[in-house]
Formats: sequence, C-alpha cells, structure tokens
Amino acid sequence: NAGVTQTPKFQVLKTGQSMTLQCAQDMNHNSMYWYRQDPGMGLRLIYYSASEGTTDKGEVPNGYNVSRLNKREFSLRLESAAPSQTSVYFCASSDSLLRQGRDEQYFGPGTRLTVT
Amino acid sequence: AQRVTQPEKLLSVFKGAPVELKCNYSYSGSPELFWYVQYSRQRLQLLLRHISRESIKGFTADLNKGETSFHLKKPFAQEEDSAMYYCALSTDSWGKLQFGAGTQVVVTP
Repeated sequence: NAGVTQTPKFQVLKTGQSMTLQCAQDMNHNSMYWYRQDPGMGLRLIYYSASEGTTDKGEVPNGYNVSRLNKREFSLRLESAAPSQTSVYFCASSDSLLRQGRDEQYFGPGTRLTVT
Repeated sequence: AQRVTQPEKLLSVFKGAPVELKCNYSYSGSPELFWYVQYSRQRLQLLLRHISRESIKGFTADLNKGETSFHLKKPFAQEEDSAMYYCALSTDSWGKLQFGAGTQVVVTP
C-alpha cells in the first residue's frame, strides 16, 4: 500500500498562474483533508471532505478550491497563485467519519510550493 | 473558538535527560487530543492519542481537563527523538484537526 500520495513534490509558480495539487489514498478512507504548513503556525486546514461527494471549508480556504473526484482522490486548486500561498501543502486521509472523529490521520509526503 | 498552544518553539535537551513538551488547549466540550511527530525527511505521523492511554516510544501524555493541558513526556530522551512535534485537537465527528504551532526537539549527545 502506498498510503497517501501527492503530486508534484515541488512546484514554482509565478504570481497569477494556476495549478492543481493531486492527492490519492489507497486505504479506502472516507475522509480527506488539505493542510498548509507554515513556519511558526503549524498546520492549518484549508478544505476537507468528510465523504465522497462532499467538501467543506476549513480555517484558511480563501484562494483555493477543491474537488473530491472519487473516494480515492482529492485535489486542491489554486486559481490565481499569490506569494502568500508559498507553503508546504499536505494531504491527509482518515476514517474519522466512521469512528466519529477518533481515527488518526495519515499524511502524504507534502508538496513544496513557491510562488514568486 | 478552539485553540492549541505550544509555547516552546525549540526544546534542546541532552541525551538521557527528561523531556516535556507543553500543550494547552481551549475548548469547552470533550476534546480528542493527539500528538503527531515529523522526523526529518519523513511524513507527519501519529505518535499517540489521549483516548488510547498508551506509551509509544517511551512517550506518554496525560489529558488534564482542569488545566486544559496535554503535555508530552519522556523520562530519558534519545537522539532519535529529535523531530518536530505537533499537538492537535479534534472537536467534531468529521475529524478535523486544529494543530499547535509545533515544537522542534533537538537531542544532543
């Protein structure tokens, strides 16, 4: 099992460009999450999908959109990148819905994004 | 609104010394608390959760609802404990996590 995979690993964008970060999990989890990690701020939730077909905003959703393509895949899109979106992005999955929020989250390796 | 506070950005300890990472939270209900760890060049992974009341890699953490704390402790630090540690709080059935800012632990020989 690969667990949670993310592509790409690294990306450099110019301000105003768009891109999609891909995430897939092979653990048959219901819930998936996107976080950003910034120094001194920990991880902050951008969007989450409690189950296939549903998505909802997290703490810092502005400037992002998501798509839960199917149970396995959850993508994060930056429509018009800004330097403030320079960060490391982590995707995670869990069976939290099944276990009422008590399941651990499994994280991907991260995507390091730089916006110039 | 819920919040997780980790007051120490960096904790430097000698091998064999005790280590304690502080975590305080604000939430009026019944929280689920976790410690996640990120070793160098590895993924973020669960270290332990309060509901399991278990010891992992010699670490323990006790939930103190009166002090709203969930401090992580290990009596004898090892070099392989050097990592970034995050305290996290879950307050709903969707499993969303609120993370603290993290504490970097450096264990020197």
